[in-house]
Amino acid sequence: DSGVTQTPKHLITATGQRVTLRCSPRSGDLSVYWYQQSLDQGLQFLIQYYNGEERAKGNILERFSAQQFPDLHSELNLSSLELGDSALYFCASSAGPGKGYEQYFGPGTRLTVT
Amino acid sequence: GDSVTQMEGPVTLSEEAFLTINCTYTATGYPSLFWYVQYPGEGLQLLLKATKADDKGSNKGFEATYRKETTSFHLEKGSVQVSDSAVYFCALSDQGQAGTALIFGKGTTLSVSS
Repeated sequence: DSGVTQTPKHLITATGQRVTLRCSPRSGDLSVYWYQQSLDQGLQFLIQYYNGEERAKGNILERFSAQQFPDLHSELNLSSLELGDSALYFCASSAGPGKGYEQYFGPGTRLTVT
Repeated sequence: GDSVTQMEGPVTLSEEAFLTINCTYTATGYPSLFWYVQYPGEGLQLLLKATKADDKGSNKGFEATYRKETTSFHLEKGSVQVSDSAVYFCALSDQGQAGTALIFGKGTTLSVSS
């Protein structure tokens, strides 16, 4: 158990809908990362937050957004969903500058868009 | 940009065989290197890491040495078990940064039979 939790575990929704994925980092970790894992694209970085502020952006679509709250949990919002958004979405956390850079991953949310 | 290349799988071995999974990287700076393992239906687990040239990471009988001259971080294990069957990902992140995204290889599936 990495200490990173993600909910829900599975999500099935229809095209055009909007969903929210939730992540709670390990206790004490300030950085949260979101990744997408799909068969064709592999594991791709979407976005990083550090202590409530956006830190880095990867291949994140404009239809996707995220935020990190004062209690450090994070949410990834996916809107106007398309079939191609079906994937596993992972959250990872790390301690932050000077305290540790290893990323610990949650179990993931499997999103199926029908 | 930075990238990671892993050997294509699947790799199929008998129990107690020697394992090598090749990984090479391209990076402009001095990255940290990681191996992650993903068991079926689970998230990614950090297997081992190395932060500078000639560092050897090791865990659970797995080893990998950071070779700057050949830009490689090959994963080895002397005697694999059926329980090692999983997907293995090589990854890098820029060392010294406040906290940056991991760049992953495409993953190598290992199947070990008894």
